[in-house]
Amino acid sequence: DAGVIQSPRHEVTEMGQEVTLRCKPISGHNSLFWYRQTMMRGLELLIYFNNNVPIDDSGMPEDRFSAKMPNASFSTLKIQPSEPRDSAVYFCASSLAPGGIYEQYFGPGTRLTVT
Amino acid sequence: AQSVTQLDSQVPVFEEAPVELRCNYSSSVSVYLFWYVQYPNQGLQLLLKYLSGSTLVESINGFEAEFNKSQTSFHLRKPSVHISDTAEYFCAVITNQGGKLIFGQGTELSVKP
Repeated sequence: DAGVIQSPRHEVTEMGQEVTLRCKPISGHNSLFWYRQTMMRGLELLIYFNNNVPIDDSGMPEDRFSAKMPNASFSTLKIQPSEPRDSAVYFCASSLAPGGIYEQYFGPGTRLTVT
Repeated sequence: AQSVTQLDSQVPVFEEAPVELRCNYSSSVSVYLFWYVQYPNQGLQLLLKYLSGSTLVESINGFEAEFNKSQTSFHLRKPSVHISDTAEYFCAVITNQGGKLIFGQGTELSVKP
């Protein structure tokens, strides 16, 4: 299996631009998670889906952030408009079980820089 | 609510020395516990997990962790570290009812020759 796939791996954009991060979970997994990692705040869960349905989005920082999962093999995290404080590494992870009781498999991450 | 505390943000150690990375958790219900490792510029990988049964769990590369319910701890140990063990290590907890996986702040293990 190719594992969790994220694109792009690196994204540099200017403040105010729209940014879309993409994730393809492992085939057969039914839970998907978006995390953000920064030096200051560590690893934060932004949102997670179970069977393509958002279960908990309480970690989404504000309305500028939105996430979708139109089918079992694809998810997007969108930031519009982007701000410099959004600079971070964004990870997608998938799991076989709801809520990640069992192992979560992480993608390589997208390093976002907003100037 | 659950929480995880990793007591050391950085642990420098010489090659072939033993190491212990400390993790304490707080929860009012039963939990499952995990250690993840993050090598530079990579995503997190599961190192080992405690779900039930034996309180001592081991990884394939020589790490072990012991679940101590009375002390609410899940410390990670290795008797002899290698340069290649240099990475950031995250302890994580989730309740046995599911929900969010809560991560600690991470411990940066730096192995020097």
